[in-house]
Amino acid sequence: QQQVKQSPQSLIVQKGGISIINCAYENTAFDYFPWYQQFPGKGPALLIAIRPDVSEKKEGRFTISFNKSAKQFSLHIMDSQPGDSATYFCAASYSGGGNKLTFGTGTQLKVEL
Amino acid sequence: GAGVSQSPSNKVTEKGKDVELRCDPISGHTALYWYRQSLGQGLEFLIYFQGNSAPDKSGLPSDRFSAERTGGSVSTLTIQRTQQEDSAVYLCASSLFGQGGNEQFFGPGTRLTVL
Repeated sequence: QQQVKQSPQSLIVQKGGISIINCAYENTAFDYFPWYQQFPGKGPALLIAIRPDVSEKKEGRFTISFNKSAKQFSLHIMDSQPGDSATYFCAASYSGGGNKLTFGTGTQLKVEL
Repeated sequence: GAGVSQSPSNKVTEKGKDVELRCDPISGHTALYWYRQSLGQGLEFLIYFQGNSAPDKSGLPSDRFSAERTGGSVSTLTIQRTQQEDSAVYLCASSLFGQGGNEQFFGPGTRLTVL
């Protein structure tokens, strides 16, 4: 059972454009929703995270939008740069479950000049 | 400060052999997680240690997989009688569970190839 669904699988954006990646979850017990960025040969690195008591969180060019009723959340990358080219994973966890992460399937982002 | 380290970075083994993968978490982190990243299954949870509590082994795919954490620090993931489907990148993460958030810091992973 895939508890976190992520789309699109791949994304090509022009430099300066907005990259948008979407995730949907099923388990209403989830209370922590992070986004991870992964470069080839490296482990995932936390980019930004949100809890369900807020609808939006912004850190620099990265914004998470969260819709609790729809059980959806998304990552927006503003002014996308070639250095943002990486694989992005959404994830979810709940404190009662030891905070173990359930990951989406990943989105391969390429930012073109 | 030092991040999560894992060794070896790459491991090639023959089918049927046992392998041990090591994880050194960030000093002071009480929680330690193992995940597996493979083309077919994506990123999946394997096992979780928190302090002195019994580990959560709910993600281990078979009884060929086991892990231990000695002294609340270093962890070893052991795969016995390796199979080709065990080929994947094994990732370790640690966190300050219950202290200010759930951020998990990942190591660079061990790429396991079973021939």
